[in-house]
Amino acid sequence: SYELTQPPSVSVSPGQTARITCSGDALPKQYAYWYQQKPGQAPVLVIYKDSERPSGIPERFSGSSSGTTVTLTISGVQAEDEADYYCQSADSSGTRGVFGGGTKLTVL
Amino acid sequence: QVQLVQSGAEVKKPGASVKVSCKASGYTFTGYYMHWVRQAPGQGLEWMGRINPNSGGTNYAQKFQGRVTMTRDTSISTAYMELSRLRSDDTAVYYCARGPQLRFLEWLQIDYWGQGTLVTVSS
Repeated sequence: SYELTQPPSVSVSPGQTARITCSGDALPKQYAYWYQQKPGQAPVLVIYKDSERPSGIPERFSGSSSGTTVTLTISGVQAEDEADYYCQSADSSGTRGVFGGGTKLTVL
Repeated sequence: QVQLVQSGAEVKKPGASVKVSCKASGYTFTGYYMHWVRQAPGQGLEWMGRINPNSGGTNYAQKFQGRVTMTRDTSISTAYMELSRLRSDDTAVYYCARGPQLRFLEWLQIDYWGQGTLVTVSS
């Protein structure tokens, strides 16, 4: 079955830029979505359709796409950004969804 | 305001089935896709499938095909997810989550989540 691959962990110091990648063969054809999940809470959408930001999400969150990889970038990371981040997309047929394995962002 | 209220925690024995409900309010239930996502303890999110509440049409993740059934009752704005032949590795929090409006081609985006239902499978 189709898989999306994320690094298990990313660490950055406050004020630096964090980049979290997500790779999958169907990503050139299918949009990607990014969710932030803090302990004990439901996920929150932070990026949709590769690079669009929902209302209420800080401008420091951005998304980009290149070939089979999409990237979530958090500029000027703050302590409150420490969380698990998941990418989501669909398989090549566009009929089944999938999440990446998740990336734990640690703010040092 | 949009709310998705799920049924309470369940404890089941291996081989049994579980049915989780998700009551929607604050929007037109038949106008938006509904997804089901689960998360095992300390693990990541796993997409299980989605239902079109208007038509009842479903798409399931290959992993759950044959074991999961998603249904809805439009008269009470409630979606259901039933998982059969439970195993210990089905122990997880199960979420219902609202997708986009049916009129959009893109159906994946999730903007509202239920509070989650813990299903524990143990002998």
